[in-house]
Amino acid sequence: QQQVKQSPQSLIVQKGGISIINCAYENTAFDYFPWYQQFPGKGPALLIAIRPDVSEKKEGRFTISFNKSAKQFSLHIMDSQPGDSATYFCAALGGQGFSFIFGKGTRLLVKP
Amino acid sequence: ETGVTQSPTHLIKTRGQQVTLRCSSQSGHNTVSWYQQALGQGPQFIFQYYREEENGRGNFPPRFSGLQFPNYSSELNVNALELDDSALYLCASSRDSRHFQETQYFGPGTRLLVL
Repeated sequence: QQQVKQSPQSLIVQKGGISIINCAYENTAFDYFPWYQQFPGKGPALLIAIRPDVSEKKEGRFTISFNKSAKQFSLHIMDSQPGDSATYFCAALGGQGFSFIFGKGTRLLVKP
Repeated sequence: ETGVTQSPTHLIKTRGQQVTLRCSSQSGHNTVSWYQQALGQGPQFIFQYYREEENGRGNFPPRFSGLQFPNYSSELNVNALELDDSALYLCASSRDSRHFQETQYFGPGTRLLVL
């Protein structure tokens, strides 16, 4: 119940395309869902986050879509750029927890 | 950059040894969480320190221990190192309220290799 399942494991997108990464969770007590971006040799950095009372949140080229009934949320990267090439992690926080539960990550490669 | 620093950046140890990793939190933050990130995996929560006391712990054995100092910097100690302890160890700092708990700033990590 504490797991967050992330897919795909890796993703290759052409420059200008849309990158889509999906996550699913079981614990309905989770109430905060961030996405983190991690470059090699760096720690994860918060990209964008959403709460269950909102179905979509957009910040620049990054959009989170949230489906509470399906217990799923996804990250969309519009107009993907080579500089977006990184590993992306979804996470969840809430319930009795005070630490993030992370997905296993998606390695994104944006080809020029 | 987040303002969270970790040392050392890389470390090589042999099985059975002990290791101490260090973290300096961002200014104004009094909560530090430690995570283990194995290769190809997401970070896994080890434990959290708030005002020098352990505030919660993940599914890690007692040979993983920590400290937080009055200046809110922190140490992660691992005794009796095992090969599976090879990973990137991340610390993250945050403010102490539930709201700020959501905004955790990660350091660059310490990569530990156990031979």
